[in-house]
Amino acid sequence: AQKITQTQPGMFVQEKEAVTLDCTYDTSDPSYGLFWYKQPSSGEMIFLIYQGSYDQQNATEGRYSLNFQKARKSANLVISASQLGDSAMYFCAMREGRTDSWGKLQFGAGTQVVVTP
Amino acid sequence: NAGVTQTPKFQVLKTGQSMTLQCAQDMNHEYMSWYRQDPGMGLRLIHYSVGAGITDQGEVPNGYNVSRSTTEDFPLRLLSAAPSQTSVYFCASSGDRPYEQYFGPGTRLTVT
Repeated sequence: AQKITQTQPGMFVQEKEAVTLDCTYDTSDPSYGLFWYKQPSSGEMIFLIYQGSYDQQNATEGRYSLNFQKARKSANLVISASQLGDSAMYFCAMREGRTDSWGKLQFGAGTQVVVTP
Repeated sequence: NAGVTQTPKFQVLKTGQSMTLQCAQDMNHEYMSWYRQDPGMGLRLIHYSVGAGITDQGEVPNGYNVSRSTTEDFPLRLLSAAPSQTSVYFCASSGDRPYEQYFGPGTRLTVT
């Protein structure tokens, strides 16, 4: 069963505007972590932001923030003040908290973001 | 500090050939993983390891073997390549801190 769902296959956003990328997840483990990665056309996976299930505050990293709604099992990425260099594929991923799952990420299908001038 | 390295960057194989994708990390991480990424999809876990000598299967293990004889290295073997294994392969390592997940640059494999 799909554990990470990204419902937006693609989005267009104008430069300098904010954009929200949706991610919902499914787990029964009370301990888990949520990741967002950016994959530009060059192909590398770039870590953006992390949110632990026990973290009280929403994670922020520069222009990236994670809107974590635990009860709704939602972990949306917000990119503020979009730049042309933000054009890329964005993946949401989850790791469940058991030690034997520490090296196992489950990924969503991704959202392609195109930033227009 | 090189992080996670993968070789080769590109590879073309004929159906039935075998090969090994190399992955190494210099961060002394216990956890290492192999993923494949097919067009328009997220990454899917092939195999992973929680330490030297310990490996387990992920979501799509068929056609691949792994071993972990050292902490640093985690090679992925394709036993008899098939066109369905055409993909981009990523190796990753994980540290003790929960946010530590580092990916290698990827290997683009084409099987004809």
